[in-house]
Amino acid sequence: GENVEQHPSTLSVQEGDSAVIKCTYSDSASNYFPWYKQELGKGPQLIIDIRSNVGEKKDQRIAVTLNKTAKHFSLHITETQPEDSAVYFCAASKPSGSARQLTFGSGTQLTVLP
Amino acid sequence: DTGVSQDPRHKITKRGQNVTFRCDPISEHNRLYWYRQTLGQGPEFLTYFQNEAQLEKSRLLSDRFSAERPKGSFSTLEIQRTEQGDSAMYLCASSRSGGDTQYFGPGTRLTVL
Repeated sequence: GENVEQHPSTLSVQEGDSAVIKCTYSDSASNYFPWYKQELGKGPQLIIDIRSNVGEKKDQRIAVTLNKTAKHFSLHITETQPEDSAVYFCAASKPSGSARQLTFGSGTQLTVLP
Repeated sequence: DTGVSQDPRHKITKRGQNVTFRCDPISEHNRLYWYRQTLGQGPEFLTYFQNEAQLEKSRLLSDRFSAERPKGSFSTLEIQRTEQGDSAMYLCASSRSGGDTQYFGPGTRLTVL
């Protein structure tokens, strides 16, 4: 089955700096890659996603890049703010009948220092 | 959209007891997913419904676990004869038919003593 590895497990940055989180996946059939933000005591919240027919996607301060050949994708957060502090998860998914079973990475605890 | 809701938010039970959780998906979302998340890990897929039909089950879903979605709206997840290893956050997500995006609920945190 699919395996997703995520690095780093913890990341501390100064407010205003950029943060980069990287993930690799194993199944070349995967074609959908969402990123979720999870705050303490809450469920994961989708922040951005990318499909395999696109190499990069941006949404304000957040961007995701995808390298299908190398099977890795990255999350970039610019101009970080204290409210960006949370656990971030990458995930990968391939079509399986009508389902979209997500395989998640192990998460990155991002701390933005004021 | 009012979002995915789950009830209860927290459940403490003794080993050997049965527990049941409820998930109400976003209205008009006919796909519903259950995931389990242990401390420090990402969510792991348990099972999936398309309307009322349970179409996929993970090997993580032992015989003590059963999920239903009788009318294609809300879903329940029951764990029988709970074990300490069942302690985790149980997350529900829903999506539209043909859509990739899964919207997660706040989860039910289960503690088995």
